[in-house]
Amino acid sequence: DAKTTQPTSMDCAEGRAANLPCNHSTISGNEYVYWYRQIHSQGPQYIIHGLKNNETNEMASLIITEDRKSSTLILPHATLRDTAVYYCIVRDSNFGNEKLTFGTGTRLTIIP
Amino acid sequence: GAVVSQHPSRVICKSGTSVKIECRSLDFQATTMFWYRQFPKQSLMLMATSNEGSKATYEQGVEKDKFLINHASLTLSTLTVTSAHPEDSSFYICSVHRDRILTDTQYFGPGTRLTVL
Repeated sequence: DAKTTQPTSMDCAEGRAANLPCNHSTISGNEYVYWYRQIHSQGPQYIIHGLKNNETNEMASLIITEDRKSSTLILPHATLRDTAVYYCIVRDSNFGNEKLTFGTGTRLTIIP
Repeated sequence: GAVVSQHPSRVICKSGTSVKIECRSLDFQATTMFWYRQFPKQSLMLMATSNEGSKATYEQGVEKDKFLINHASLTLSTLTVTSAHPEDSSFYICSVHRDRILTDTQYFGPGTRLTVL
């Protein structure tokens, strides 16, 4: 069963912030939220992950709601190279549960 | 991040032959690596978990005798597709897990595109 729900596709204008939503209403207390993206014909690229606090790195920001049932990945200034499929994944943080289950993701297209 | 390589990047073979794909962790030792398969316009599907020094753990529906995994060192895992058939044509991707003390994150290789004629 899918643990996350994402829109199938989104468009964003170049230079604007891209906000990608993800629902994970059945998330449990020891599960992290991970975001990866996959550019066409390449392996997935790690973006960011978090447990309950908001996180920021050089690529993106992750905003997790207080009840942890949803999150938003923010790419602050989208470029054409950000066009990719973005996957939101919930993963158990306990030792021995490192595997990731990919859903269908959101296909983000950056429009010039 | 982490650097993961795969070799070859692309392979074309005849039906019935075996193909070996290598996955290397270039900048850290990985006790756990993963193998995924991705068909066109579909998402990644986990095939197996490769554990250094022990037998791989296969996901339900994945034939362990057809997809042989060897994780003989902390930096190398290999996937051999035995007696390949056209339906095995796919994009095969490996990942390495960097332990929780550091980042507790998987990093992916660039993928290997297999075409079986």
